Amino acid sequence: EAEVAQSPRYKITEKSQAVAFWCDPISGHATLYWYRQILGQGPELLVQFQDESVVDDSQLPKDRFSAERLKGVDSTLKIQPAELGDSAMYLCASSPPPNTEAFFGQGTRLTVV
Amino acid sequence: KQEVTQIPAALSVPEGENLVLNCSFTDSAIYNLQWFRQDPGKGLTSLLLIQSSQREQTSGRLNASLDKSSGRSTLYIAASQPGDSATYLCAVPVHSGNTPLVFGKGTRLSVIA
Repeated sequence: EAEVAQSPRYKITEKSQAVAFWCDPISGHATLYWYRQILGQGPELLVQFQDESVVDDSQLPKDRFSAERLKGVDSTLKIQPAELGDSAMYLCASSPPPNTEAFFGQGTRLTVV
Repeated sequence: KQEVTQIPAALSVPEGENLVLNCSFTDSAIYNLQWFRQDPGKGLTSLLLIQSSQREQTSGRLNASLDKSSGRSTLYIAASQPGDSATYLCAVPVHSGNTPLVFGKGTRLSVIA
């Protein structure tokens, strides 16, 4: 069964360091989302891509976060510099057009120390 | 702005009991509603997707209903098992089409053997 792949699964980084997460969506899914989930909360959208274009990055803290999906397939989310408050689960999801059913990866658990 | 609320926040039941999880949303003009399961430290697994034109969806021991006019959905779990212990999240798209999901905070379920 096709899955959304994310790596790494866990990342511990020091405050002010740079960190990057990678996501490979299900083949053929044009829409890709990055969500952030704080412990005890529901996921919240950071950025949405349609193919290689950003559709919605209104909630992305652009002073420190960046996201790209250069060839419209896999995607990278970067944080530089990391802050203590960035500790969270970072989830990638993809959707097949035109259905809006979302499929999620296993996430990357980030701990900033 | 769409807001999703889930009640109760936590639930503990003995094995074998039938149970109901509740989800409410403020804007009834939804395209669909999706229920997810999340195990501790893991990503989200899609359980059921109900289109706006549907009243309910069933998968095994799970049954989800949707009442758009009242802004409510319920997830019914029959004959609960310890393996059902997890957090259950409901989510609705912001708009129609491939748009991001707005999530509730989830219901944390514990099924005691």
